[in-house]
Amino acid sequence: GQSLEQPSEVTAVEGAIVQMNCTYQTSGFYGLSWYQQHDGGAPTFLSYNALDGLEETGRFSSFLSRSDSYGYLLLQELQMKDSASYFCAVFTYSTLTFGKGTMLLVSP
Amino acid sequence: DADVTQTPRNRITKTGKRIMLECSQTKGHDRMYWYRQDPGLGLRLIYYSFDVKDINKGEISDGYSVSRQAQAKFSLSLESAIPNQTALYFCATSQSRGTGRDYGYTFGSGTRLTVV
Repeated sequence: GQSLEQPSEVTAVEGAIVQMNCTYQTSGFYGLSWYQQHDGGAPTFLSYNALDGLEETGRFSSFLSRSDSYGYLLLQELQMKDSASYFCAVFTYSTLTFGKGTMLLVSP
Repeated sequence: DADVTQTPRNRITKTGKRIMLECSQTKGHDRMYWYRQDPGLGLRLIYYSFDVKDINKGEISDGYSVSRQAQAKFSLSLESAIPNQTALYFCATSQSRGTGRDYGYTFGSGTRLTVV
């Protein structure tokens, strides 16, 4: 089976940089994805890493180390609208398995 | 119109009743999924389908069934609803081919189900 670990909550201030970590145990690993979910809303896709290294999309960057079974999502120039839950998910041949999520609270 | 549409958005039902949640998509994706979300537990996979004739159980399929009526439609049924099936249910789609961001799932807006 698969298991993922994420911190339950992270707090940061507007304009800062925040890193949210994810460690995983899985078989048949293809890649690591990140999703954002605002309270009660639909999860939205942020990024996907299949290979080691950093992928950047605007203010968001995602990192993967396959040898360490570890990844993180980095958000720069934090804005109030970034307050949300962030889920990492391992992608195997068949499906995505999600972690329990990290709630990011951004304060003024 | 939304790419992935779920109906109903909210539903309250009684214990023992049969209920169907519906999902339709205009993404043209071949793969469809049903997930359940409970507070603090993330998203857990109930069933998934890679094509019209393909149905697979996920992590928590007991008490649920599904039907893939067409490539664009995937419904979830609770045969006899019980209170611990109270949750937020999401339908999602993805495509089987592509690279990188193509592997992203597109989620519907969810159905909030309460079983009393």
